[in-house]
Amino acid sequence: TQLLEQSPQFLSIQEGENLTVYCNSSSVFSSLQWYRQEPGEGPVLLVTVVTGGEVKKLKRLTFQFGDARKDSSLHITAAQPGDTGLYLCAGDNAGNMLTFGGGTRLMVKP
Amino acid sequence: SAVISQKPSRDICQRGTSLTIQCQVDSQVTMMFWYRQQPGQSLTLIATANQGSEATYESGFVIDKFPISRPNLTFSTLTVSNMSPEDSSIYLCSVVTDYEQYFGPGTRLTVT
Repeated sequence: TQLLEQSPQFLSIQEGENLTVYCNSSSVFSSLQWYRQEPGEGPVLLVTVVTGGEVKKLKRLTFQFGDARKDSSLHITAAQPGDTGLYLCAGDNAGNMLTFGGGTRLMVKP
Repeated sequence: SAVISQKPSRDICQRGTSLTIQCQVDSQVTMMFWYRQQPGQSLTLIATANQGSEATYESGFVIDKFPISRPNLTFSTLTVSNMSPEDSSIYLCSVVTDYEQYFGPGTRLTVT
């Protein structure tokens, strides 16, 4: 069974601070996806990383896929209250089956 | 990308009854997935539904409790049978298209 561990589980920060969320596994994934979920809605895909060492940027969000494709990180610069939500990483083992991390609940206070 | 709608968006049901959740996709997809998300938790896969074949259930989920239909390539239903308070969750359908997975808005179920 492939497991993805996300850390931290909870994060409460002030507007303007930076933060990093980690997603780690002992298994190799063909790709890894990051989602953000707001209350009352389904997860929304933010990015997919495919190549080991890949870095993708989405405005103030920077996503990195580990060289060995076993881990990933999400870094948010100058967090804003609109970034509040549940962040989920999910690994794809090339069988169209996603393994989800436990999620990181982020609260950004104004 | 894919646009997914679910009905109902939420419901409050009594113990022992059943609820059928509908999932509609705006394009034809081979695989549809049903997930459960308990309050404050991550997502747990219930089953995978391919059109024209029986759904494949994950460990801990059985067809008698969560029967699934997949009559065509754009639609699926999940029934939560003989409900108990432990079934209170958000139920999400999901599809894969262009190697990326997209989710519906979810159905928030409360069992009293």
